[in-house]
Amino acid sequence: AIRMTQSPSSLSASTGDRVTITCRASQGISSYLAWYQQKPGKAPKLLIYAASTLQSGVPSRFSGSGSGTDFTLTISCLQSEDFATYYCQQYYSYPLTFGQGTRLEIK
Amino acid sequence: EVQLVESGGGLVQPGGSLRLSCAASGFTFSSYWMSWVRQAPGKGLEWVANIKQDGSEKYYVDSVKGRFTISRDNAKNSLYLQMNSLRAEDTAVYYCARGIAARSRAYFDYWGQGTLVTVSS
Repeated sequence: AIRMTQSPSSLSASTGDRVTITCRASQGISSYLAWYQQKPGKAPKLLIYAASTLQSGVPSRFSGSGSGTDFTLTISCLQSEDFATYYCQQYYSYPLTFGQGTRLEIK
Repeated sequence: EVQLVESGGGLVQPGGSLRLSCAASGFTFSSYWMSWVRQAPGKGLEWVANIKQDGSEKYYVDSVKGRFTISRDNAKNSLYLQMNSLRAEDTAVYYCARGIAARSRAYFDYWGQGTLVTVSS
C-alpha cells in the first residue's frame, strides 16, 4: 500500500496568514492526489483534485501543487472558516489511502 | 442538489452483522463509482470499498476483505455495505461518497453525513 505522510500533524496560525501543508507519498503517484477539509462532526469536503485543480465552489485562496511523491496545499490568506483538519488522498493505486491529517488551529 | 443519506448504523456485538444503506439523489446514480469511507472516533479517514457504475468491479481494503460486501441497486439509487464478522476495530462513522474515477481509482466529490457503527459487547 502507498503510505501518505502529512506534515505538520498540527499547525497554529492566525487569520490572514499564509500556510502550507505538505503530503509525501511513499512511491510516485503522478498527479493522482486530492485534498479534503473536514470540520468537527462534519463530512469531509473536496478542495482539490489532480494535485492542483480547484473543485468548483472552493475559494481561490486554496491552491495545490506537486507531482510524483511531494505535494503541497497552500491557503494564501487564512479565514476563520478555514480552521479545520486537512487530509490528502492518493488515487493512483488500490488500496486508496489518506494521509493522517493536519489539524489547523487558531493561534 | 447532490444528496447522500446513510442509514443502518448502530450498536452490534463482536461477530455480528450490519447492513448500511446510502440513498442517493440529485444526480444520475448509475453514472458514478460509489464508495464507503470510514473514520474511527478521533482518527483519520480510511477508504473501505469502491464499486463501479454497473457493479462489475469492486475493491476493498485488506482489513475488510471476506467480511464486507459492497453492492448497489441502480434502480433504487442506493448503495449498500453488508458487514459480517464485525470486530471492535470496525467501530467508526461510515461515510457514503460519490467517486470520480481515473483509471478505476477514485477521489470523492460528495459525501453523506455518515452513520455510526459501534461494535461492542
